[in-house]
Amino acid sequence: DAKTTQPTSMDCAEGRAANLPCNHSTISGNEYVYWYRQIHSQGPQYIIHGLKNNETNEMASLIITEDRKSSTLILPHATLRDTAVYYCIVRVANRDDKIIFGKGTRLHILP
Amino acid sequence: GAGVSQSPSNKVTEKGKDVELRCDPISGHTALYWYRQSLGQGLEFLIYFQGNSAPDKSGLPSDRFSAERTGGSVSTLTIQRTQQEDSAVYLCASSLNWEQFFGPGTRLTVL
Repeated sequence: DAKTTQPTSMDCAEGRAANLPCNHSTISGNEYVYWYRQIHSQGPQYIIHGLKNNETNEMASLIITEDRKSSTLILPHATLRDTAVYYCIVRVANRDDKIIFGKGTRLHILP
Repeated sequence: GAGVSQSPSNKVTEKGKDVELRCDPISGHTALYWYRQSLGQGLEFLIYFQGNSAPDKSGLPSDRFSAERTGGSVSTLTIQRTQQEDSAVYLCASSLNWEQFFGPGTRLTVL
């Protein structure tokens, strides 16, 4: 079973920051938080991952709470192309292993 | 560069027939995964190959499902005596370290 809980869907206005929450209260010490997204009719795409420090890359920022029981993915300036299902996943980092996906959050970017 | 490719992109078959789905991973990637996604459902892990190790088959839903990976490269997922509940998008992914790159999927429809 997935170890994360996410809202089923969210809306965000184009150009605004999209903040997607994720709860992972049972995360283990050696598990990282990963985010993937799946645009309609495509395979999932990696976005970002982190352990405990906040992370930023060209796609998004990841904010992890100090107790590591929850996190937020931030898309700073959402565009219509960011409409997708966003999956929050916890897994041991930097090694090959299957991904257990939950239901994810369906993000709608509104024009 | 070339990504993960899958063929066919669409497959329509009759109940009871066998089908074979093909995945060409990214060259040099040692790990290969199969997932499936039913209509309106999340992504479900099926099977995972890593180098010459025995595959992790823990996600295969029944003994009608099997997969091979020949020469550490191309993989074939076989579904015998297909049932209507097998209708789904079958996704293949490959990785070298940890980041999984997904193919476009094969949409299987069982009539």
